[in-house]
Amino acid sequence: DAGVIQSPRHEVTEMGQEVTLRCKPISGHNSLFWYRQTMMRGLELLIYFNNNVPIDDSGMPEDRFSAKMPNASFSTLKIQPSEPRDSAVYFCASSSRQPYNEQFFGPGTRLTVL
Amino acid sequence: AQKVTQAQTEISVVEKEDVTLDCVYETRDTTYYLFWYKQPPSGELVFLIRRNSFDEQNEISGRYSWNFQKSTSSFNFTITASQVVDSAVYFCALSEAGRDDKIIFGKGTRLHILP
Repeated sequence: DAGVIQSPRHEVTEMGQEVTLRCKPISGHNSLFWYRQTMMRGLELLIYFNNNVPIDDSGMPEDRFSAKMPNASFSTLKIQPSEPRDSAVYFCASSSRQPYNEQFFGPGTRLTVL
Repeated sequence: AQKVTQAQTEISVVEKEDVTLDCVYETRDTTYYLFWYKQPPSGELVFLIRRNSFDEQNEISGRYSWNFQKSTSSFNFTITASQVVDSAVYFCALSEAGRDDKIIFGKGTRLHILP
């Protein structure tokens, strides 16, 4: 079975540009999570969806960040406009809620904002 | 409130030594799950194990073993006869079943296995 797929794997952009990160969860999983990892702040949960509905977006740092899940097999995380402090590795993870909810992570997108 | 504490920020051991990574958790729920994840230098996060709160039986998988003790709210991870390939950051995590789908991660322990 394919794992969680993320694209792009690496993204380098200039400050002010729009960045879109993409995620395809594991088929059959109904929960999807977006995380950000930096050296300073560690692993942070940004937002998660259950059955395509955003459940908790309290971790989204500011209005420049938005996430959508238009269907069960696709999600995007958008940053507009991007800033250098957004540079991080962004992970997408998915889980099947019942009976156990371990999350399986994608390979991550390394974002560098110049 | 949920909390996971990994007091060891960084550990270095010589290859073939045994090493234990500590994890202490806090939760008010009686039903919960505990996890360990591995993040090797390549960066991906790899799920290693899940334990539910009703199963205190220790788990062994090859050189890896996990000791779950509810009395001390600990879920420690031991690597026996460590190898260089075990070098990674290891995360302990907690989820309260039925509450929501979130997993609370510890800060991680960076393990260096020296040749």
